[in-house]
Formats: sequence, C-alpha cells, structure tokens
Amino acid sequence: AQSVTQLDSQVPVFEEAPVELRCNYSSSVSVYLFWYVQYPNQGLQLLLKYLSGSTLVKGINGFEAEFNKSQTSFHLRKPSVHISDTAEYFCASSANAGGTSYGKLTFGQGTILTVHP
Amino acid sequence: AAGVIQSPRHLIKEKRETATLKCYPIPRHDTVYWYQQGPGQDPQFLISFYEKMQSDKGSIPDRFSAQQFSDYHSELNMSSLELGDSALYFCASSLLPGGLGNTIYFGEGSWLTVV
Repeated sequence: AQSVTQLDSQVPVFEEAPVELRCNYSSSVSVYLFWYVQYPNQGLQLLLKYLSGSTLVKGINGFEAEFNKSQTSFHLRKPSVHISDTAEYFCASSANAGGTSYGKLTFGQGTILTVHP
Repeated sequence: AAGVIQSPRHLIKEKRETATLKCYPIPRHDTVYWYQQGPGQDPQFLISFYEKMQSDKGSIPDRFSAQQFSDYHSELNMSSLELGDSALYFCASSLLPGGLGNTIYFGEGSWLTVV
C-alpha cells in the first residue's frame, strides 16, 4: 500500500519569493513520483515526474523537485514565484510494479499555493 | 495538440437516477484511468482499462461500472446515485502502461451534482 502526505495544506507567499511545497511518501515497493497542478475549475496538469536516475528533476514553469530516498521525500521548489502560480498542487505516487500500476496514482491531500503581490 | 476529452462537462442528476460519463483519450493512447475528486478532496483512483480490458480497480462502488470500447473511448456508468457521488470525475489516458516516460494526461473533468 502507498500513501502520500503533503505537509502543508496552504502556503502563502509573496511574488518573486522562493517557495517549497513538501511531500512525503510511504510505500512497500519502489515508486514513481509526480507533482500535478490544478487551477480553479480545471484538470490536473503534470509539472514533473521522477521515474529513475538523477534525483533532481526539472519540470515546467521553473519548478523542480528532489527525490530523497532516505527521507522518503519529494519536495517541490521554485526560486521565484509569480501571481500566476496560484493554484493547488498535488503530489502523487504510483507503484513501480509494471502494467497499469504506473497510472494508478495515489494523491496527497493537496497544497494551496497563494502568491500575493 | 489533442487532449483528453470528457463529456458532459457538467451534469445534474437527482438521487436514485443514473448518469453516464464519457471519456475520449488522446489518439493512439490505449490506457484509460478514471478518478473521482470530491469537494475539497484529493483525487481517488476508481478503475483503469488497457486495450479494452479492465486492468486495475480502486475504490469504485458496486453501483458504478465502466468499460472501454473498440475505439478506446471509455464510459463510466453510475446508477442509484447518492448525494455523496457529487464530485469531479477525471479521466486520464496514457500510451502503453508502464512505459517509462509516458506522461499520463488528464482531462478537464466532468462535474456531477446529485440533488
């Protein structure tokens, strides 16, 4: 069984400040990790994913995340946020178990990022 | 580029009625996933299909059924609707399950309101 915990339900930040959204996962098997963004009344858009290899993953819109196996974390970072980054962000995992398990995502509870001018 | 198409985008039904949601995956994608996102909740996996066969099952109620057709579109049928079924239902598609690097694309969702 897998679980994903996002440690902050809401993160307020000022424009051009750095931000970190925290995510911890738990799994009995190796996992793939994802960050998705959801704008109001819209679907989920993939920001980045960790499958294997380099632990630092770069995504779209200037976001990056670092996979830390020892701390079972996959925190999302952006060095300078914009007003347009205001949205809800979901961390998700899926089992590295072959077949359609890849797309059977377990989501965290979401973090609402609010960027203030 | 073509995306995952879901219809209808909004649906209002009364308790005990039946609803059908449709999902048209990205062309050539052979895998479809359904998720349910309740108000203020994270998305929950319901069911998935690969090459028209059910491949994984999650927390899908027995009142719900789904299938994938020969043209790869999928339908989620929900019967005996309850107020708690009100949610945003997402469909997602990908090419070749487990294909490393293959992104899972989500549709914009279908809002179901049960009154």
